[in-house]
Amino acid sequence: AQKVTQAQTEISVVEKEDVTLDCVYETRDTTYYLFWYKQPPSGELVFLIRRNSFDEQNEISGRYSWNFQKSTSSFNFTITASQVVDSAVYFCALDTGTASKLTFGTGTRLQVML
Amino acid sequence: SQTIHQWPATLVQPVGSPLSLECTVEGTSNPNLYWYRQAAGRGLQLLFYSVGIGQISSEVPQNLSASRPQDRQFILSSKKLLLSDSGFYLCAWKGSRQGTAFFGQGTRLTVV
Repeated sequence: AQKVTQAQTEISVVEKEDVTLDCVYETRDTTYYLFWYKQPPSGELVFLIRRNSFDEQNEISGRYSWNFQKSTSSFNFTITASQVVDSAVYFCALDTGTASKLTFGTGTRLQVML
Repeated sequence: SQTIHQWPATLVQPVGSPLSLECTVEGTSNPNLYWYRQAAGRGLQLLFYSVGIGQISSEVPQNLSASRPQDRQFILSSKKLLLSDSGFYLCAWKGSRQGTAFFGQGTRLTVV
């Protein structure tokens, strides 16, 4: 069975601080895909990034970066110099492709204050 | 480019009334389609998914049902709503089993 754990329920930071959102996953499949989604107050789930299990290269996109480590089954997300617009709920998700569905973590609510 | 439409955006329905939420995808063919529900302050729960017309898989037994009458249309229904059906319903599509899921804007359902 697949499982995604986001241990941080809520994080509050002051604008311009860096913040890391943790994600730990469990699967017995050797091929799988990891995702991060952002859910702003409007509710829509916005796709941020996808990582394949065979590609452990970390990625940076502007102020966002992702650290994928298979050895610890983690896929952490860091926002550098956070901004108020980053305030949202962030979900980590796992897809093994076999059951054709995403398994989501419970989400981390990030609040960035002025 | 592909787009996903979901409606209505909000809905208030009395207990015992029927429900029909619709989701359509444009710009792709034979997508995998999904219905998720998010209860207030909680994560996402997969309700149904479909890999083709008329093919529906149910993940959670409940008084909801889903149908896929056309390739790019996915409908979530109920004959009689319960209070516990309140929540935020999200439709999603994938281009393949290994693809990335993209979500609609969601329907906020309140059963009163």
